Amino acid sequence: DQQVKQNSPSLSVQEGRISILNCDYTNSMFDYFLWYKKYPAEGPTFLISISSIKDKNEDGRFTVFLNKSAKHLSLHIVPSQPGDSAVYFCAASWGNTPLVFGKGTRLSVIA
Amino acid sequence: SQTIHQWPATLVQPVGSPLSLECTVEGTSNPNLYWYRQAAGRGLQLLFYSVGIGQISSEVPQNLSASRPQDRQFILSSKKLLLSDSGFYLCAWSVGGGGSEKLFFGSGTQLSVL
Repeated sequence: DQQVKQNSPSLSVQEGRISILNCDYTNSMFDYFLWYKKYPAEGPTFLISISSIKDKNEDGRFTVFLNKSAKHLSLHIVPSQPGDSAVYFCAASWGNTPLVFGKGTRLSVIA
Repeated sequence: SQTIHQWPATLVQPVGSPLSLECTVEGTSNPNLYWYRQAAGRGLQLLFYSVGIGQISSEVPQNLSASRPQDRQFILSSKKLLLSDSGFYLCAWSVGGGGSEKLFFGSGTQLSVL
């Protein structure tokens, strides 16, 4: 039973364009959502988060949007850069429960 | 500042051999500690987590076990490895417990069971 789903295993975007990574969840109890970025053979690093009381959070080139009614969140990267090429994981939690991660989306930014 | 150390970086083990992966955290007290595994096509799967010394919660029944002998030390073990235990193992920590926790990950161990 996958509570956090990233249905696109991969995404290719041209440098300078917008990258949009999507994530869906099934557990309506989730109230905190995060995005992590992972390079090969390294641990994931925290990118940006959003609480369920908000519908948007922005940090530089990265913006996360949350649509609670659709149980959907997305990460926008504008403009995309070659260094953004990595696997992006969506994660969610509620209360004191551990983070639940999606399977990840591999983003390739082409110069 | 807080740091997390995880070793070894890579490990090749024969089927049936034992396993011990160690993780230590510095610069914080009473962290929550986690073991995740990234297997092909499976994303990041939570294996174990601990909120204190000797307190271990297991998320997935399997061939592995975890122990927390000290506040900032978390060990992942197996008595006999299976081929299916191959994967990228990640230790992580967080502080809090009131929700809205960020996890901070170690650099991972790539385990190949042959």
